Amino acid sequence: QKEVEQNSGPLSVPEGAIASLNCTYSDRGSQSFFWYRQYSGKSPELIMSIYSNGDKEDGRFTAQLNKASQYVSLLIRDSQPSDSATYLCAVNRDDKIIFGKGTRLHILP
Amino acid sequence: NAGVTQTPKFRILKIGQSMTLQCTQDMNHNYMYWYRQDPGMGLKLIYYSVGAGITDKGEVPNGYNVSRSTTEDFPLRLELAAPSQTSVYFCASSSSPGGHQPQHFGDGTRLSIL
Repeated sequence: QKEVEQNSGPLSVPEGAIASLNCTYSDRGSQSFFWYRQYSGKSPELIMSIYSNGDKEDGRFTAQLNKASQYVSLLIRDSQPSDSATYLCAVNRDDKIIFGKGTRLHILP
Repeated sequence: NAGVTQTPKFRILKIGQSMTLQCTQDMNHNYMYWYRQDPGMGLKLIYYSVGAGITDKGEVPNGYNVSRSTTEDFPLRLELAAPSQTSVYFCASSSSPGGHQPQHFGDGTRLSIL
């Protein structure tokens, strides 16, 4: 089992709709969870971090964490064309952060 | 705000050549990381450092070396370049241990080995 798993996509979502991105992880000891956005040819940019079970909202973004199910998700409300990017899920393991392969999101105008 | 600075941005090497990828940060972060990202893939950890004078291997360290003589600098060295090392290399830094704080990334170095 891979440490951090994401569906590679592409995930196509109409403009204005909700985009839902999912991630599962294998290490039950993980305590820190991050979502990064990466535009083509650019470096990853942190958009959300979450450390406890439940929901965390920041503007149009909501991160959801369920440690019992080892599942973390990212919801993007009112999707915009500028949200088209690859979204990387990242989970800590000891002193390191392990990244998933990312999900490509395409917002349809 | 400089943050994490990587040089060069692009480089083409011949097989067997060596080079050093430079990384410096001005945020006084103790924790620094080197990743490689192959096309369509996530980030794979090469080496990391928890402070000056301390380095450790990540997932894919073979063919690379690092040093950490100062808090600011964390260079990555390729001794004998191979085509399999063609990739985009990202340096990152963080303020806290245990991966509990997010990492700040440089703009990357795009390296081709021909």
